[in-house]
Amino acid sequence: AQSVTQLDSQVPVFEEAPVELRCNYSSSVSVYLFWYVQYPNQGLQLLLKYLSGSTLVKGINGFEAEFNKSQTSFHLRKPSVHISDTAEYFCAVSDLRSGGSNYKLTFGKGTLLTVNP
Amino acid sequence: DSGVTQTPKHLITATGQRVTLRCSPRSGDLSVYWYQQSLDQGLQFLIQYYNGEERAKGNILERFSAQQFPDLHSELNLSSLELGDSALYFCASSVVGSGGGVTDTQYFGPGTRLTVL
Repeated sequence: AQSVTQLDSQVPVFEEAPVELRCNYSSSVSVYLFWYVQYPNQGLQLLLKYLSGSTLVKGINGFEAEFNKSQTSFHLRKPSVHISDTAEYFCAVSDLRSGGSNYKLTFGKGTLLTVNP
Repeated sequence: DSGVTQTPKHLITATGQRVTLRCSPRSGDLSVYWYQQSLDQGLQFLIQYYNGEERAKGNILERFSAQQFPDLHSELNLSSLELGDSALYFCASSVVGSGGGVTDTQYFGPGTRLTVL
């Protein structure tokens, strides 16, 4: 079984400061990794995903994440945040089951990023 | 706008009642996924359909059922509702999700907020 741990439930930062949202996963098989963002009263939007290849993944809105297999982590970073980045961020995994069709996403509990002026 | 539509946006009902949530996937997407988001459980996968057939089941209660119709829209039926069923229910869709489609992005709808009184 897979699990995802988002270490911080809330992260307050000031505008233009850098931010890192932490995500660790546990799985007995190789995984695909995702970060989704949920703005207030909206659905989830994909920020970025890691499937294979380069461990540094760039996404939308200036976000990037680095896959670290040895530490089973997939932390999300942005060098300078804006007020509009205030939202809840979810890390998710989907496992690589050869020949299977179970593509469910397992989500972490979410991290509420609040950007203050 | 993800292209996934969900109706109704809000639903208020009483314990013991039955409700139906509807989802229309993005044009061309064959897979539909249902997720439940609650404060205590977070985002949890319920069930996946691919081209009309059930493909994967998650933490879906026996009181809940779903189906995908020939036009690919899906309905989630919740019966004998309890207070604890109050949650945000999301539908997501992807192009395939079967036999190699695990890399497909899941696009989420805006959700249906269910309140059971």
